[in-house]
This record gives sequence, C-alpha cells and structure tokens, in this order.
Amino acid sequence: GEDVEQSLFLSVREGDSSVINCTYTDSSSTYLYWYKQEPGAGLQLLTYIFSNMDMKQDQRLTVLLNKKDKHLSLRIADTQTGDSAIYFCAETPRGSTLGRLYFGRGTQLTVWP
Amino acid sequence: NAGVTQTPKFRILKIGQSMTLQCTQDMNHNYMYWYRQDPGMGLKLIYYSVGAGITDKGEVPNGYNVSRSTTEDFPLRLELAAPSQTSVYFCASSQSPPPGGVDTQYFGPGTRLTVL
Repeated sequence: GEDVEQSLFLSVREGDSSVINCTYTDSSSTYLYWYKQEPGAGLQLLTYIFSNMDMKQDQRLTVLLNKKDKHLSLRIADTQTGDSAIYFCAETPRGSTLGRLYFGRGTQLTVWP
Repeated sequence: NAGVTQTPKFRILKIGQSMTLQCTQDMNHNYMYWYRQDPGMGLKLIYYSVGAGITDKGEVPNGYNVSRSTTEDFPLRLELAAPSQTSVYFCASSQSPPPGGVDTQYFGPGTRLTVL
C-alpha cells in the first residue's frame, strides 16, 4: 500500500495557529485530503487539494502542498477548543478508479484554553 | 437524511463467535467501503463495493465477508472471531467519483468490536 506519515500529537493554546504536517510517497497522487475525527465519531472530510495546486484556503483552514518534497500541511488559524480532534491525511493515487483512500495514522490535536 | 448508519455501536465477542456488522446509507451512493481502525493507526480498507451485486477485496480482507444485495446496505460478516479483529470498524459511502475527480467519502460513526 501507499505510505502516508504524520506526527502523532500536537498541543496548542486556544487562539494560536496549529500546523499539522503529512508526508506521502506516491508522487502521482491526484488528490490529497484532510479528514477530522471527533471522539466517538466517524471521519468527516475537512478539505482537499488537487495535486496541481500549491495552496488552498477555506476560512480558517489553509492547505499547503509541496509536491517536490511530497509534503502536505494543514494550518488552522485561531484554533479553538472545538478543534480538538484527530486529523487524518489521506491520498488518492493516480489511476485509482475506485477513488481509494490511503490514510496516515492521524495527528491528535489538543487545544488548551 | 441520516447519512451512513452503523449498528451495533459496541460489541464484545468470544473467540470463534460470528457476527454481522450492519451498514446502511440513504444517499443513493454507488460506492461503499468497510475500514478498520486499529489503535493509533490509520484506516485500512477491508472490502469495497461499486454497486449492488459487486464487491471486491481491499488491503486486509482475511477473516471477513461482505455482500451487497441492495444499494443501501453493505453488511460485514465475521465468521470466526479472533483477537486480532479487535478494532473499530467504519463503513463509508461515496458517489461514483469521475475519472481523476475528487471522491468525498461519508463515514458512519463506527462499531467498536472487542474479541476476547
């Protein structure tokens, strides 16, 4: 399978910015995704970026893609306690007619008041 | 619109027992998936289906079976439960992604299974 790596834990203070990082191995990936999992719940799609883009902004979320280094990051501005969750990076390899997703292990974000 | 629903939420099985995890979606999605999430790990694909009557294996299919008799339902069967199957199981569905297009998968809340 594909390899998607993430750091496991991140703690920030409320109001600060959070940056969650991800590296992937398949340079042919078409889409890269960020999913959020709140305690006891399923995954919810937060945002995604197409591989021909460098950056995507969506309200408090900024996704940066460095294709040369195969590095994806998710920045959350003005982080709130409600942002505490596990964040998963995922990719869809090129040629995947299924739209199959390969997930990282997830980053547990803890926001302190 | 309930989205993707799963039952049960929790289950404890003894080694060798069988059970079926239920999954239903009301979004008329063609694609459905079963994933397992082990502690501290990402999701691994067990089985998937691209439409009623069509199923195929994912990365970790051993010990499981699926069927897809309707668009809405995609049950996952464990025949002889083993401790290695202790995990959280997620069902997901999506509309058929266009070639090269984005695939938004909608997830159920999960079933937490413990095999003792």
